[in-house]
Parts: sequence; structure tokens; C-alpha cells
Amino acid sequence: GEDVEQSLFLSVREGDSSVINCTYTDSSSTYLYWYKQEPGAGLQLLTYIFSNMDMKQDQRLTVLLNKKDKHLSLRIADTQTGDSAIYFCAGTGTASKLTFGTGTRLQVTL
Amino acid sequence: DAGITQSPRYKITETGRQVTLMCHQTWSHSYMFWYRQDLGHGLRLIYYSAAADITDKGEVPDGYVVSRSKTENFPLTLESATRSQTSVYFCASRSGEQYFGPGTRLTVT
Repeated sequence: GEDVEQSLFLSVREGDSSVINCTYTDSSSTYLYWYKQEPGAGLQLLTYIFSNMDMKQDQRLTVLLNKKDKHLSLRIADTQTGDSAIYFCAGTGTASKLTFGTGTRLQVTL
Repeated sequence: DAGITQSPRYKITETGRQVTLMCHQTWSHSYMFWYRQDLGHGLRLIYYSAAADITDKGEVPDGYVVSRSKTENFPLTLESATRSQTSVYFCASRSGEQYFGPGTRLTVT
């Protein structure tokens, strides 16, 4: 099955760019997703990318997909304190199931 | 209100008790999922359902039972709760995109 890996922690200064990385194993994933989880809340879909795309931009968010290396990244421009959260990448596996990474905790400092 | 809801939001129970966590969605999504979230493990899939009366095991199904008699509801039952089942449980539903409920924090003492 799909295996998804992320680094556990990232600290950035307010105003800087954040880059959260993810690697996955199942090259047949049709969609790859980024979710955000704020403390005490559920997961909120941030953005997604179709597997035949290399890049997708949505306001401050840029998703890059390197299919050859099975690497997905989420770049947040002009990171704000409100961006502090846990970020999960996820890929579609079989039977429409998503496989999630362990999550990257983003800490934004002043 | 449209969306996906879970109840209760918080639950404390004793080892050996039966507990049922409720999940309700208003979109008529075919797929519904139950995950548990634990430190160091991210989200792990417990059970999922492709439609009413169709359920299947996920990654960590032992100790859990699900049913789906109606499309909008997907309850998760812990038949005899154990301390290792202390966790935060998330329900989700999906048509194209997947949406999550707010979670149930369960503590088994």
C-alpha cells in the first residue's frame, strides 16, 4: 500500500516562506492533497494537485510535484502566525482511500 | 447545517465498556471513513465504507466495529474499550474531496 513520509517539525520566522516536504511510494496516486490541522480541530483541505501536473498555485500556496522522485512539497509564501498548524500530505491509494503522512508541525515565530 | 458532525466531542470511559462514536454527514457522499490520530502515527484508517451496507477494514480495525445502514450515518463501536484505544477519532466523508469532522477525543481509563 501507499506509504507517505514527512519531516516532523519546521520552524520559520513570520514573513519568510515555509516549505513542507513529503515523499510517497505509490506512483499510481491520482491526487495528492495537503491538509491543515489547527489545535483541537479536524483536518481542513488546503489544496490538492492532480498527478499529471507539476505545479499548482493558489494565492500564497504553491504545490510542487516531482513524480520521478515521488516528492511533493507545499510552499507557503509570507508565512503568518495563523499558519502555525500541523500539515498533512495524503495520496489516494486503492478503493478511494487516502493515506496520510505523520504530519509536519509548522511553528511560526515573530 | 450542511457538513459532517461527530458526537460526542469528548468521552471518558472505563476499560471493558462498550462505546459508540457517531458520525453524520449531510452531503450524501458515498464514501465514509474512520481514522484515529495518535502522536507519532499521524492518521490511521480504522474502517471505511463505500456505500450503505458496504464496509471494509482499514489499517487498524481490531477492537472496532462499524455499520452503515443509512448513507448519512457511520457509527464506530468499541466493543470492549482498552487503554490503547485512547485517541482522537476523526470521521470523514468523500465524493471528490474528502472532508473531516471535528473529531472525538476518547479517553479510556
